[in-house]
Amino acid sequence: SQTIHQWPATLVQPVGSPLSLECTVEGTSNPNLYWYRQAAGRGLQLLFYSVGIGQISSEVPQNLSASRPQDRQFILSSKKLLLSDSGFYLCAWDTYSGNVSPLHFGNGTRLTVT
Amino acid sequence: GENVEQHPSTLSVQEGDSAVIKCTYSDSASNYFPWYKQELGKRPQLIIDIRSNVGEKKDQRIAVTLNKTAKHFSLHITETQPEDSAVYFCAASKYTGTASKLTFGTGTRLQVTL
Repeated sequence: SQTIHQWPATLVQPVGSPLSLECTVEGTSNPNLYWYRQAAGRGLQLLFYSVGIGQISSEVPQNLSASRPQDRQFILSSKKLLLSDSGFYLCAWDTYSGNVSPLHFGNGTRLTVT
Repeated sequence: GENVEQHPSTLSVQEGDSAVIKCTYSDSASNYFPWYKQELGKRPQLIIDIRSNVGEKKDQRIAVTLNKTAKHFSLHITETQPEDSAVYFCAASKYTGTASKLTFGTGTRLQVTL
């Protein structure tokens, strides 16, 4: 069965510090990978998605970036965090099979920028 | 782009009663409509989904209806139980043949009281 791992679970970082969040998927090949952000008490906002190694699409302009160095690895980064980057970051995956497949989320990383 | 509106934002029902959450979407080309349940501090989990070629789908106490003409879809929970208390999100996407970019509603906080 497929599983998705996301770490760390919680993170407290000062303003201006760098960020690296990692996500890996097991049990499937060539997944679509996504980064969503959820502000406190709010909905889910799509940040980035990737349909293959090295292919990144950005949905919202910001000081974050994403990379996909391997088929089942997705990384969210920032060079300098802002207070507004605080939130719950969720990695997710689905697969292309000629039709829509359900989106599955990782356990999330709760980021607090101080 | 797609816009999904969800209401009510909060809903309180007594145990055993039914709960209904409604969503509207803007893009008539959207063809996939999942519902997610998110318990406090946890990841969203898919509870039911419906595709545009189906008008209704049921899974035990949960049902979803879709009206493509009016561009709205609803989640129905019957015989509610305390463990149904959570935040529920609707979403819509237009499958492009590669990635399915879900647009989420702002969520409904359901409280089931004894």
